[in-house]
Amino acid sequence: AQSVTQLDSHVSVSEGTPVLLRCNYSSSYSPSLFWYVQHPNKGLQLLLKYTSAATLVKGINGFEAEFKKSETSFHLTKPSAHMSDAAEYFCVVSDMNYGGSQGNLIFGKGTKLSVKP
Amino acid sequence: NAGVTQTPKFQVLKTGQSMTLQCAQDMNHEYMSWYRQDPGMGLRLIHYSVGAGITDQGEVPNGYNVSRSTTEDFPLRLLSAAPSQTSVYFCASSSGTAIYGEKLFFGSGTQLSVL
Repeated sequence: AQSVTQLDSHVSVSEGTPVLLRCNYSSSYSPSLFWYVQHPNKGLQLLLKYTSAATLVKGINGFEAEFKKSETSFHLTKPSAHMSDAAEYFCVVSDMNYGGSQGNLIFGKGTKLSVKP
Repeated sequence: NAGVTQTPKFQVLKTGQSMTLQCAQDMNHEYMSWYRQDPGMGLRLIHYSVGAGITDQGEVPNGYNVSRSTTEDFPLRLLSAAPSQTSVYFCASSSGTAIYGEKLFFGSGTQLSVL
């Protein structure tokens, strides 16, 4: 069965310093992987996705993630944090258990990113 | 650009009451789904639909019913609310299959408290 583990429930960085949010997955096939962001009291928004093309994926707002099959990881990074990056981030893997041919998604438990001035 | 619209935004129920959470999308998406979000749990799939007239259960379907009579609407019904159903509920839609990377569009959520 597919699963996803976000290694940190909370990450705190200073404005202007790098961001690293870690995600490991398990899958018995070649999955699609996503990062979604949720700002306070808002719905989720797609940051970026990996679908078996380039292993380094660039997303919105300067975020990027690298798919490493040997490490089963899909960590999210940003060179320089901004105050507006403070939000909760979810790593998501595609899942074949629900949805039939459509598949479905499994969400990690989330990492809350705090950005200090 | 309305996207995915959920109503109400907030709701308080007493144990045993019933209610319907509404979800509508204006993007002509075939695929719609309902998730619940609980602290420290991420989002968990309740029910989903791959087109009008077709629905199926997700990971946590007990206590919830759905129907899909039109492409646009996908209401979620709580038949007899329980405190364990206190959560934030999100409706989502997409134009294609999630396993091939189709983006989900989310509504802004419904915060439900069951006393």
